[in-house]
Parts: sequence; C-alpha cells; structure tokens
Amino acid sequence: GEEVAQTPKHLVRGEGQKAKLYCAPIKGHSYVFWYQQVLKNEFKFLISFQNENVFDETGMPKERFSAKCLPNSPCSLEIQATKLEDSAVYFCASSQSSGLTDYEQYFGPGTRLTVT
Amino acid sequence: AQKVTQAQTEISVVEKEDVTLDCVYETRDTTYYLFWYKQPPSGELVFLIRRNSFDEQNEISGRYSWNFQKSTSSFNFTITASQVVDSAVYFCALTPVGGGYNKLIFGAGTRLAVHP
Repeated sequence: GEEVAQTPKHLVRGEGQKAKLYCAPIKGHSYVFWYQQVLKNEFKFLISFQNENVFDETGMPKERFSAKCLPNSPCSLEIQATKLEDSAVYFCASSQSSGLTDYEQYFGPGTRLTVT
Repeated sequence: AQKVTQAQTEISVVEKEDVTLDCVYETRDTTYYLFWYKQPPSGELVFLIRRNSFDEQNEISGRYSWNFQKSTSSFNFTITASQVVDSAVYFCALTPVGGGYNKLIFGAGTRLAVHP
C-alpha cells in the first residue's frame, strides 16, 4: 500500500496484560521503525528493522518489549505484562532509501495504548 | 551525542501574526538531515520539510519558511500570517548520515495555538 497502516487504532489493557500492536509498512520499503510518544510529548525511538532483521534496538526496554518483522506479515510490537507507564501512542514508520537523497520516514497514524 | 532542543514549549498568537519556532541541534556528524513535522490535534504526524546538512539555502513554501544556519546549529521555522488551522504541536528532528535507516531524534515539540 501507499500508506503505513497500523492496527488497532486504540487498545485498552489492564495492568499486567499483554498488548500486541501491528504495522504494515509501505510496499517496497525496507526499513521499519517503532516510536513511543507519551502524552503528546517527544518521541522515543524503540527499535528499527531492515527487512526482517533487527537493525537498531537501543531504545527497547528489553524486559517486556519485543518486536518482529517477518516476511509476508505485518510487523508487530508486543508488550508483555503492561504497566501504567506504557500508556502512550505507538507510531510505526517506514522508509525506503539508505542513500543521501530522497530519504524520509513515512509515519502511520499510531496506535493509542491505554493501560488501566 | 545527538540532541534537538526546542526551547519554546508553547506559543500563543492571534491569527495573521507571524510566528517563528526555534530549533537548535547538536551532532558530531558532518552529514545529517533535519526535519520538521506537524502534529495536529487529531494526532497524526505530518511531514513538512527535510533539509540535508550540505544545503543551507533557506526554503519557502507558501506561508511556511525555514532558516537553516550551520554556524549556529539552528533550523528555525516561520509561519507567516498564521491561521487557526496552524494550531498544532511542531516537532524538529535530526538523523545522521545514512538517514534512510537511522532513527529520528526528536525535540520536545512546540505547541502553537493560533487564536481567531
């Protein structure tokens, strides 16, 4: 598709429950990024993929967060045992270029996760 | 270390006023990209501009203009004759060379309120 698709739009979980978010990047894009935005404040980078391989996971809270990008499937971000502080909007972005020109990350509409 | 600072947390103006949003960045890379994104109340991220570090030409797009100055590590954004529809949070972001696969480093955002 021509847009980054994210599902679901909203997700409500009780504390301690699992949450799974999905992202379908733009067709032909090799790179996928996940960002977390708490309370409409700044964006925190979580993880990026080059195709199905993890490229940069320096932002991932390793204990409870995991992510995958498998061939022919949407990418996913999973949070085990959610905490109140995980409440945020999770944005997925994809990009195609690794060169110096025509580089842009295209963002999806986000998934709002509310942990109660 | 790489960092983006948007010192103005909130700006309030009356319609038709000009307004400048400041962005100061830090990076040791000689090649990098700078971006501005708009996040309206609906929550999506709207790409506004990308500028690479070799191109210090100022840019104008309609009522929007950008002033990139490497000497002061600044990439400021001016809206001329502001309108109510410009009300949003604006984010400045930085990514190093090889930007197609590198994470975006966002500033904290500036909330702009334009009143009729």
